[in-house]
Amino acid sequence: ETGVTQTPRHLVMGMTNKKSLKCEQHLGHNAMYWYKQSAKKPLELMFVYNFKEQTENNSVPSRFSPECPNSSHLFLHLHTLQPEDSALYLCASSQDDNGLNSPLHFGNGTRLTVT
Amino acid sequence: DQQVKQNSPSLSVQEGRISILNCDYTNSMFDYFLWYKKYPAEGPTFLISISSIKDKNEDGRFTVFLNKSAKHLSLHIVPSQPGDSAVYFCAAKRENQGGKLIFGQGTELSVKP
Repeated sequence: ETGVTQTPRHLVMGMTNKKSLKCEQHLGHNAMYWYKQSAKKPLELMFVYNFKEQTENNSVPSRFSPECPNSSHLFLHLHTLQPEDSALYLCASSQDDNGLNSPLHFGNGTRLTVT
Repeated sequence: DQQVKQNSPSLSVQEGRISILNCDYTNSMFDYFLWYKKYPAEGPTFLISISSIKDKNEDGRFTVFLNKSAKHLSLHIVPSQPGDSAVYFCAAKRENQGGKLIFGQGTELSVKP
């Protein structure tokens, strides 16, 4: 596989469930990101990891918990979510998190619905 | 407060004509701007970028213009093709911020045959 792969593509969960989103990149990049796109709103940065270390948490509630075991894998653990957390969650990677010419490569996203 | 704005949610253009997508920003610290294209059920893909030291960057049918004094940029597609129909996102960042982008809301372009 090439590029950035996200699983699952669709997820429906109840407010009391615990689930995880998975992202894997095959580009040899060192930085990985979680972005969120809610309906009618711009993509919003959630978390940034560079060389497995979290370098940014954009004021995200603790019910979202990221994990980056290595530079190729990124997880987003979800628990006790609210219906307003329903959104498209996009994973992305780039060569690093501080380069000027380091365009993001996005996965196809996980469409999350919280019931 | 939105720092990057795309005020037109949609645009319809005839095949072969020029498509012009607009984007405004408020933060004068932004010095690198990008356009991404998104098809349904796919993630955004990088299209073209421009540094604040330039006012124009061209790549085939795509040209991005930057007017720093007006804090405005635009993407020109000429000639437009039906396969260009997608949502286009404008994004901005500060130097050395890697992939930490501030996105606009997107403009849905429809190119009619």
